[in-house]
Formats: sequence, structure tokens, C-alpha cells
Amino acid sequence: SQQGEEDPQALSIQEGENATMNCSYKTSINNLQWYRQNSGRGLVHLILIRSNEREKHSGRLRVTLDTSKKSSSLLITASRAADTASYFCATDASGSSNTGKLIFGQGTTLQVKP
Amino acid sequence: GAGVSQTPSNKVTEKGKYVELRCDPISGHTALYWYRQSLGQGPEFLIYFQGTGAADDSGLPNDRFFAVRPEGSVSTLKIQRTERGDSAVYLCASSPTHSTDTQYFGPGTRLTVL
Repeated sequence: SQQGEEDPQALSIQEGENATMNCSYKTSINNLQWYRQNSGRGLVHLILIRSNEREKHSGRLRVTLDTSKKSSSLLITASRAADTASYFCATDASGSSNTGKLIFGQGTTLQVKP
Repeated sequence: GAGVSQTPSNKVTEKGKYVELRCDPISGHTALYWYRQSLGQGPEFLIYFQGTGAADDSGLPNDRFFAVRPEGSVSTLKIQRTERGDSAVYLCASSPTHSTDTQYFGPGTRLTVL
């Protein structure tokens, strides 16, 4: 079953603009991760945020986590055509069993127009 | 160093046949995961290995699916009596330990059942 709900499903912006994607989930989590996928193949890990963290940055990426609202957002600043891809949030809701099992959302398809 | 590799990259088979999909994790990673991704969806968890043992196989859809990791490194996902609904991209990921670690994904095997 899919835990994450991502919003929007699709996003089209001009190069240089910022892109914001949102993810909501249903159960308590150990951590939340964001991945990028090009052409429906391998996923590239972008950033991991733990349940006790509220914000993380990595280059042009900024991720926030609000555990009270069970939601996260991914902001990509100064977007580039190369950022065109599908973006997925994934939650580790394995609790104390610590299996690392990830539950993915359905993804946001981002198109950045040059 | 080398990332996660998966073979074959593409597999076309006929309904009812048996297939094996192979995953070579990053050297030294003890945790290994299999996911399945259908078109337009996020990946869905299948099974998790910690070392040689399957610590969580709750995502395997039925008893036609089986996976092994006999020496704690390479893993093989086996599907018996394939059905058209098994067509998907099968993704493998590994991480240094489990839970709070980043999962590194391979490029996937695209399985098509005719």
C-alpha cells in the first residue's frame, strides 16, 4: 500500500524558477527520504531527514518535515532543465523493528523548460 | 566505488515461465531490499535481507515469488509461473546497515511477461 501522497502529481516551470513538491503520510516514521528518478529506471537518493529534524539543506535542495501534520516538502531553487525528472518521497515507518523498509508515494513529475 | 548492479536490464518472458533476477549490492552493505515499480507508480516494497536472512518478506505478493541471498552479498529474486501482471521494473537497493541509512538503488530490471 502507498503511504505517501504527493502533491502536485505534475509540475511544469521555467528554468530559474523554484519548484515545491509536497508529501503527506499516515503513520509515525523513523525518517523520510526524497528520491529522483529519470526515465523510469534507477532512483537517486537526494536527502534523508530524520523524525527529530525539521529542516535540511543540500545544495539547491531544501527539505522540511512537520511530524505533527505528517507532511514534508521538497524545494528545488533556481531550477535547471536537468532537474526534469520524477520525484518521490519515501517513509521508513518500520518503527522499533528498524528494517528500513521504505513506503513510497506516487511521485511528482517535474518538467523544467529551458 | 561500484554501485548496485542488476542483471539482466531487460527480461521478456512468456506467461507461465520461470525467471530469475539478480542483484549485486555495494560491497560491504549488509542490508538489501527488493522493490517492484509498476508504470506510473512509486516503488513497492517486496523483501528485506539483513545478511543472509530475509528479515521482512511481507511485501511478496504470493508464493510464486521467492528471494535468496545465500552468502550475504548477491541476491536473486525468483518468480515462478509468471503472469502478465508481474510485468514491472524490479529494483534492488542496498544500505550499509539498515533503518537510518540511505538506500542506494540499482538501475532495475524491466520484466515483461507476454
